This record gives sequence, structure tokens and C-alpha cells, in this order.
Amino acid sequence: DAKTTQPNSMESNEEEPVHLPCNHSTISGTDYIHWYRQLPSQGPEYVIHGLTSNVNNRMASLAIAEDRKSSTLILHRATLRDAAVYYCTRVSGNTPLVFGKGTRLSVIA
Amino acid sequence: DAGVTQSPTHLIKTRGQQVTLRCSPKSGHDTVSWYQQALGQGPQFIFQYYEEEERQRGNFPDRFSGHQFPNYSSELNVNALLLGDSALYLCASSLGLAGETQYFGPGTRLLVL
Repeated sequence: DAKTTQPNSMESNEEEPVHLPCNHSTISGTDYIHWYRQLPSQGPEYVIHGLTSNVNNRMASLAIAEDRKSSTLILHRATLRDAAVYYCTRVSGNTPLVFGKGTRLSVIA
Repeated sequence: DAGVTQSPTHLIKTRGQQVTLRCSPKSGHDTVSWYQQALGQGPQFIFQYYEEEERQRGNFPDRFSGHQFPNYSSELNVNALLLGDSALYLCASSLGLAGETQYFGPGTRLLVL
């Protein structure tokens, strides 16, 4: 049970912003929201994580809803190299990462 | 700085055989977790090793076992292989047990015939 819900697939044009949604309506107060992505033929790689406030790093931004029941990963300008499966997970303490099927992002040139 | 490395990259076995997969964690990391990823699915947690002990285990049978060495590297052993064990096996390393970011290796693709 991934405890998160994501769309199966999304499509974006190159150099356009992409908003990848994740629903985690049963999230607890101590759960962090982590995003990983998996490029073709590679292992997952960490993207970003947050607890309550919006977060930015060199790869992406994470917008967390005020009630924390959903979040959105934002890629500001999609490139072909961003084509991957994006996973949203909940992490509390040392709980193992639980992955669902994620969202497969296609980027069109 | 070397990331997580895994060997071999690919492996073909037959049903009933045994297999050992190896993982070297990212420099400075002391915790290793193993995941199984079937085709089209997200990775599923197998177990986690820290200080040479299994700390957590997912819903996998006893045929799956592991080991962590004093240099923090780890092995995953699978006995009595089944066709359904065909998958990508991923190793991830992290620092400590506080839910820190995990860094994944490229995986070992196992095919059981």
C-alpha cells in the first residue's frame, strides 16, 4: 500500500512547466513527503522532500497543500532528460520507502 | 565520489538455483536497503541492514536473506529461485536510521528461466 495516489501518466512539451500531483490524504503529522524519479534503465534518484513548507532545489520545487493532503512537484522547464517515472512517497522516521506505480512523464520536443 | 555500485549488472539463472547479488554503498553511508522491482511496478522493499544486522524487513519469504559486512557493503541472497523472482534488484544506501535520503544503485537485472 503506497498510501499515495498519482496519475499513471502525464505529457509535457519541452521547456514548458510541469506540475505532477500527488494525493496523500491519510498523511500523519510526522510524515515527510519525498519525491524520487527513475530514468530509463537506472535506479531511482532523489528529487526533493518537504514537511509543511514549500521547498525549492536545483532540480525542482515542491508545493505542499496547507492541509498536507496533497502536494505537487513542479519542474519549471521540462527537458527531454526529465522524461522518467516520478514517485511520491511518505517517510516517517526510519520507515522504508513505499513506492506506488508513479507517474510516467513524457516530454515532447 | 563513487555512488552506489552493484554487481553483476545482469544475471540469468534457472529455477531452483541460488543467487548472490552485491552492493557497495555510497562513500560515507552505513545503511543499505534492498528493493525488488518487477516490470512496470514501483520498487518493493525487501530489507534494510545497519551495523551488520537486519533492521527491517518487507513482505518477502525467508528465501531472501542478506548480509552486511564491516565495510558496510552488502549481499542479497535468494535461494530456490522461482520464475516470479525475475526482476530488477535495487540497492540503496543512506546514513543512519533517521529516514535520510536514499541513494540508489543502477540495479541488477535477474532473469529466472
